[in-house]
Amino acid sequence: GQSLEQPSEVTAVEGAIVQINCTYQTSGFYGLSWYQQHDGGAPTFLSYNALDGLEETGRFSSFLSRSDSYGYLLLQELQMKDSASYFCAVRGYNQGGKLIFGQGTELSVKP
Amino acid sequence: DAGITQSPRHKVTETGTPVTLRCHQTENHRYMYWYRQDPGHGLRLIHYSYGVKDTDKGEVSDGYSVSRSKTEDFLLTLESATSSQTSVYFCAISGGDGSYEQYFGPGTRLTVT
Repeated sequence: GQSLEQPSEVTAVEGAIVQINCTYQTSGFYGLSWYQQHDGGAPTFLSYNALDGLEETGRFSSFLSRSDSYGYLLLQELQMKDSASYFCAVRGYNQGGKLIFGQGTELSVKP
Repeated sequence: DAGITQSPRHKVTETGTPVTLRCHQTENHRYMYWYRQDPGHGLRLIHYSYGVKDTDKGEVSDGYSVSRSKTEDFLLTLESATSSQTSVYFCAISGGDGSYEQYFGPGTRLTVT
């Protein structure tokens, strides 16, 4: 099966850089996804890493290392609107179209 | 934004009553999912569908059933609601072979008293 672990909370100041880690245990998977969810809202897709390395999308970057069973989401130039929960997710081999989500990291951005 | 809606958006019901939640999409996507979200548990998959009349269980399927008679509609039924099913329910869709990118509906807040 698959399991993913994330820190439950992270706090950072506006303008800073923050890294949200995701460690996983899985027998094999296609890639690692990241989702953002603002309080009271629906999750929205942020990024996907199929291969090892860094993927950059504006202020957000995501990294995957299969050999280390580890990934992270990097948020740069933090803004107050980045305060939200962030979830990593994997789709394992032989899991059909299912995604398994981590329990989420609540990011608080302080002025 | 992906065309996905959920109804109702809020519902309060009593223990033991049946409840049906509806998810409707206009994207013609093959895959549809039902999740529940509770504090400290993230998003947990209840059931999903990979085509009309094709469904499969997720990790927390007990007490829930689903049906998909049309591509655009995916129904979640609680046959006899219990207080433990008080939660926020999200529907999601994805195309292709069930991709890593899912689009979520706005959610339904269900309270079972």
